[in-house]
Amino acid sequence: QSVLTQPPSVSGAPGQRVTISCTGSDSNIGAGSDVHWYQHLPGTAPKLLIYSNTNRPSGVPDRFSGSRSGTSASLVITGLQAEDEADYYCHSYDTSLSDSLFGGGTKLTVL
Amino acid sequence: QVQLVQSGAEVKTPGASVKVSCKASGYTFTRYPMYWVRQAPGQRLECMGWISAGNGNTKYSQKFQGRVTITRDTSATTHYMELSSLTFEDTAVYYCARGVGPAFSVGFDFWGQGTLVTVAS
Repeated sequence: QSVLTQPPSVSGAPGQRVTISCTGSDSNIGAGSDVHWYQHLPGTAPKLLIYSNTNRPSGVPDRFSGSRSGTSASLVITGLQAEDEADYYCHSYDTSLSDSLFGGGTKLTVL
Repeated sequence: QVQLVQSGAEVKTPGASVKVSCKASGYTFTRYPMYWVRQAPGQRLECMGWISAGNGNTKYSQKFQGRVTITRDTSATTHYMELSSLTFEDTAVYYCARGVGPAFSVGFDFWGQGTLVTVAS
């Protein structure tokens, strides 16, 4: 099935580490398609956090890291800060649809 | 610095068309493709298509093929997205997003602030 699945929500206390998963299939992540991650605060422009699985654009703190394995990818945030509270989306390409796909988004709450 | 500034909110009736603009600055306009992405209420982000700013070639997502037209004006460094035959389901925030390369597989490194399009009778 051509869909990227994310948990609807995750939470953590300041200073903790959280992981956001993105589960795909053999036609997208499993086919070797790159995964990108965005941070989105409602009412603002989404921000690219990770591109091509593991790469951070300049200006993105190294508290944010990405990985890909098999048909899944993960975004890890360490040293949680209050300003990290936002929605996070994964993004990849589906070879059977020949189209771009986004995950449903994960709301991160900093307790 | 790179800036993408979109046009303001629109209210349209069913069957009408809407054209959203995206003024780009802070980089060489023709060097990067521009993508259009939308998010309807409670729905995930959807990529609608993209344009090569250099030669004007376009590629559209299957879902929007035949209803969306993406253009650009190099002299004005502005991109446009026009969506026709609007239905209530087209109510969404529409974003322009600069691609790091010309393909549906690339990431988007800068985004506009979004334009709310409301379809209402």
